[in-house]
Amino acid sequence: GNSVTQMEGPVTLSEEAFLTINCTYTATGYPSLFWYVQYPGEGLQLLLKATKADDKGSNKGFEATYRKETTSFHLEKGSVQVSDSAVYFCALSEPGGYQKVTFGIGTKLQVIP
Amino acid sequence: SQTIHQWPATLVQPVGSPLSLECTVEGTSNPNLYWYRQAAGRGLQLLFYSVGIGQISSEVPQNLSASRPQDRQFILSSKKLLLSDSGFYLCAWSVSGAGNTIYFGEGSWLTVV
Repeated sequence: GNSVTQMEGPVTLSEEAFLTINCTYTATGYPSLFWYVQYPGEGLQLLLKATKADDKGSNKGFEATYRKETTSFHLEKGSVQVSDSAVYFCALSEPGGYQKVTFGIGTKLQVIP
Repeated sequence: SQTIHQWPATLVQPVGSPLSLECTVEGTSNPNLYWYRQAAGRGLQLLFYSVGIGQISSEVPQNLSASRPQDRQFILSSKKLLLSDSGFYLCAWSVSGAGNTIYFGEGSWLTVV
């Protein structure tokens, strides 16, 4: 079956530090890959996505590249802010009539001033 | 544009009482609908999904049930709540197709006391 692996954290960084949150996946087909962000007390928001190999998703300074050869979709940001403190979920979905989505466990990011 | 709403946002219920959480989607037709649960400090667990009116699939055995009385309405219910039912419940929707995204509601906090 499909699976998504990411570190649970918490990841603690100082403001303006470089961020990497690793995500690797296992899938039988050619999935689409996503990063979601969850701020405290809120639902999940789509941060970025990539639908095929070598695609780069980007939004709000965050980037992730779909690497089929390493089955990875690592999230990066060059300079984090305190407002980026949240839980980040990596996810994949396989194409088809029913959009079953597999989520990682979520990585908590804490950015300190 | 499409929107999703779920309510109530917060509720505190005694053990053994019934539960009803409602979710509606606007701006799209025949969406796939989902209920997820997120226990404190844990990842997302898919509870139910629906690909059409009256069509409900359960991912895990439990004392919860779901119904889809209308195309864009999804209801999560329980006849008798357990302490272990406490958590953050998220409704979500997607439209079938490769690369399409799953979108989440604001979430409902349930505390069973």
